[in-house]
Amino acid sequence: EAGVTQFPSHSVIEKGQTVTLRCDPISGHDNLYWYRRVMGKEIKFLLHFVKESKQDESGMPNNRFLAERTGGTYSTLKVQPAELEDSGVYFCASSPLLAGDTQYFGPGTRLTVL
Amino acid sequence: AQSVTQPDIHITVSEGASLELRCNYSYGATPYLFWYVQSPGQGLQLLLKYFSGDTLVQGIKGFEAEFKRSQSSFNLRKPSVHWSDAAEYFCAVGATSGNEKLTFGTGTRLTIIP
Repeated sequence: EAGVTQFPSHSVIEKGQTVTLRCDPISGHDNLYWYRRVMGKEIKFLLHFVKESKQDESGMPNNRFLAERTGGTYSTLKVQPAELEDSGVYFCASSPLLAGDTQYFGPGTRLTVL
Repeated sequence: AQSVTQPDIHITVSEGASLELRCNYSYGATPYLFWYVQSPGQGLQLLLKYFSGDTLVQGIKGFEAEFKRSQSSFNLRKPSVHWSDAAEYFCAVGATSGNEKLTFGTGTRLTIIP
């Protein structure tokens, strides 16, 4: 069974540009989470989808970040316009709907904003 | 609000020596607790988890962790480390309702010396 995949693995952009990150969860997983790790700090929650609905977006830093999950399958996270402080590693995780199940993480996308 | 503290940013141990990584959490009820590992260039991999029952849990790669409610701790241990254990280790706490965000510690980087 394929794991969580993320694309691209690395992205380097200029301040003010737009970047879109993609996450493909494990097939059948209705829960999808986005997290971010800024260098040297903890991994922080951004938001949680259940199927195509946003269950919790309390961690989204500001309105420059837009997450979507069309059809309840893959998800995208768009940053527009990107700022220097957006640099970090963005992780996606998925899990089945069964309560307490483990979140399975993707390899992450390393975003560098210059 | 839940929180996780990993007091050791970086630990160096000799190959074959025993290892203990510390994790303290703050949560209003009995939490779900996790240890994840991130090897260089890889994503987050689950080592073990505690939901309920036996407070000593066994994980992959010879790791174990003990939940101590009185100390709000969930320390990770391994009796004899291997060079391949060099990685960054993250402790995380989740709500007992499941299907919710994880709160991570800042991570402990483990270096193994020959």
